[in-house]
Amino acid sequence: EAQVTQNPRYLITVTGKKLTVTCSQNMNHEYMSWYRQDPGLGLRQIYYSMNVEVTDKGDVPEGYKVSRKEKRNFPLILESPSPNQTSLYFCASRPGSANTGELFFGEGSRLTVL
Amino acid sequence: GNSVTQMEGPVTLSEEAFLTINCTYTATGYPSLFWYVQYPGEGLQLLLKATKADDKGSNKGFEATYRKETTSFHLEKGSVQVSDSAVYFCALRNNAGNNRKLIWGLGTSLAVNP
Repeated sequence: EAQVTQNPRYLITVTGKKLTVTCSQNMNHEYMSWYRQDPGLGLRQIYYSMNVEVTDKGDVPEGYKVSRKEKRNFPLILESPSPNQTSLYFCASRPGSANTGELFFGEGSRLTVL
Repeated sequence: GNSVTQMEGPVTLSEEAFLTINCTYTATGYPSLFWYVQYPGEGLQLLLKATKADDKGSNKGFEATYRKETTSFHLEKGSVQVSDSAVYFCALRNNAGNNRKLIWGLGTSLAVNP
C-alpha cells in the first residue's frame, strides 16, 4: 500500500530534550516536506526537500533541522524543543517531475513540549 | 503575493443538506487550485483539483469550478452525509519555481448531524 509513515504519532517531551520525528514514504517520491498545523494558523511549511541531499527552508524553519540521506526518509529534528513547538506535524511527499500538485500526507505526529 | 481565503467555520448541517464552502484566492499568473480534506485523526488527502480557468473538479459528490473572473473555487455538494464531517482546506499552487509549494487556506470545519 502506498503510504507516508510518521513516527511517533504522539509524543510528550520536556523543553530541551532532543527529539526526532521520522517520516518514510514507499512511493519513490523525489519531493518531501514537513508542515505544522496550529489552530487559527492553518498549515505552515517547515522544510522541504527536492531530492536526496537537497533541502531548503520553508516558511517557519526556526528551531528545526532536517536531513535527506535516502530518498524514502526525511526525518524532522528538534535539537532543543521549546513549548512553542507544541503542534501537530505532518510529513508529505509527491513526485518531483511532471507533478500534478497532489501531496500525499502522513497521519500526523502530535507533539507536546512541556 | 499569493493567498487563499476560506469562509470561517465551523459549519454545521443536517444530513442531506446542500453544502457550500467559499474559497477565494489572490495569485499572480495561472495557479492550480485544490481542495483537500482532513478526516478526524488523519492526514490531509486530495479531494479534487482544477488546473485552469473554467475547469471543474469533482470527486465523491463534491464539485468546485475554477472561476478566474471572480478568483474563486467554491466547494459544493448537493446532499451531505455524516461521513463528510471533516476539515476542508482550499489551496493554490503557483506553477513557477522548484518548490511549487501549496498556499493553504486556514481550513473550514464541517459537522454533519444525522
